[in-house]
Amino acid sequence: GESVGLHLPTLSVQEGDNSIINCAYSNSASDYFIWYKQESGKGPQFIIDIRSNMDKRQGQRVTVLLNKTVKHLSLQIAATQPGDSAVYFCAESRTGRRALTFGSGTRLQVQP
Amino acid sequence: GAGVSQSPRYKVAKRGQDVALRCDPISGHVSLFWYQQALGQGPEFLTYFQNEAQLDKSGLPSDRFFAERPEGSVSTLKIQRTQQEDSAVYLCASSLKAGGGDTQYFGPGTRLTVL
Repeated sequence: GESVGLHLPTLSVQEGDNSIINCAYSNSASDYFIWYKQESGKGPQFIIDIRSNMDKRQGQRVTVLLNKTVKHLSLQIAATQPGDSAVYFCAESRTGRRALTFGSGTRLQVQP
Repeated sequence: GAGVSQSPRYKVAKRGQDVALRCDPISGHVSLFWYQQALGQGPEFLTYFQNEAQLDKSGLPSDRFFAERPEGSVSTLKIQRTQQEDSAVYLCASSLKAGGGDTQYFGPGTRLTVL
């Protein structure tokens, strides 16, 4: 199928390395943040979320860091695997607005 | 299946035709969202339903776009008199709670191509 994100920034890593994907947001009122993974021809898949009263949250092989001072979000993937290859989007919302606002996305390529 | 499903997966329309895209949310989910995703970009919000009530339609690009969720479950996004700029992937998402701030689960999308 057609690829998602033909002209997106690309992060290329070796299998087994750790990956860090960054995202900047602009709205200081945003209080809920999500990372999604999107493979070609599929919808976004939930990875991990974090609320603004936290600065770190860990899942299985993934960690999200939130720095509200500089409005920056990052996703860390440990021991990156070929199956992690996809486009990654950060998304944000705020109290009173139910819709998510998505960032522009980063393509992660894992080299075997 | 337990996830969000959408149909058709692919739709080709001639300019000027009307199309209808269907979304089956996760059973019991109160909130339902439609997003539009252009090639190479992140999804952009179109409209939001809480049960059968359409509470936010601020993202609909024109009055040719219409969405409904009459029984608070299945939703249909209709586009009238399609234009080439309507070509995109249309994504549906649902979440358990009303009011936002919880995880939205996405379907696979419908890829619309307008010739």
